[in-house]
Amino acid sequence: KNEVEQSPQNLTAQEGEFITINCSYSVGISALHWLQQHPGGGIVSLFMLSSGKKKHGRLIATINIQEKHSSLHITASHPRDSAVYICAVYRGQNFVFGPGTRLSVLP
Amino acid sequence: GAGVSQSPRYKVAKRGQDVALRCDPISGHVSLFWYQQALGQGPEFLTYFQNEAQLDKSGLPSDRFFAERPEGSVSTLKIQRTQQEDSAVYLCASSLGRAQPQHFGDGTRLSIL
Repeated sequence: KNEVEQSPQNLTAQEGEFITINCSYSVGISALHWLQQHPGGGIVSLFMLSSGKKKHGRLIATINIQEKHSSLHITASHPRDSAVYICAVYRGQNFVFGPGTRLSVLP
Repeated sequence: GAGVSQSPRYKVAKRGQDVALRCDPISGHVSLFWYQQALGQGPEFLTYFQNEAQLDKSGLPSDRFFAERPEGSVSTLKIQRTQQEDSAVYLCASSLGRAQPQHFGDGTRLSIL
């Protein structure tokens, strides 16, 4: 079993829909990082959190340390949100990355 | 610079050749990471530098892989006697500290023929 799992693997949504991407992990962590990777390969940091909830624009990230689970929500989705979303957990002294969720938002 | 810069953007090499990939991190970032990303997978850790010191190389897949950061800024990842399984995107990231949010370069896509 991978240390970091994400669901769904692929997600297609219509513009305007509310989107949820899930990340679960099997080890104790001190922080969790949500990242966005566009088709060209560039990776952008979205959030880093160790408890509770963070919000930036249309993006919301939550984490439940006890349940070893985090969610990334996108409100009022837009085609430009189409990307791969990756969660990474900070364990020990390194980040361990999930496989990513590929999101396609259709106009 | 404004962001992490990697070069070349694409590299094609024949099996057995040596390759060198360059990473220019954000100025002032102490921490520098190299990752390998296979198609459809998340990045996998290769090695970590704090300034010029290579503190962790536990992710390097074989002794054909070598990384350096001699002056604590620019880093080079070298792969000797390349094999087809080395084909991947190699990502560099820098940050203010090891547990801090990472800033990624666009990666070098390496194809071994």
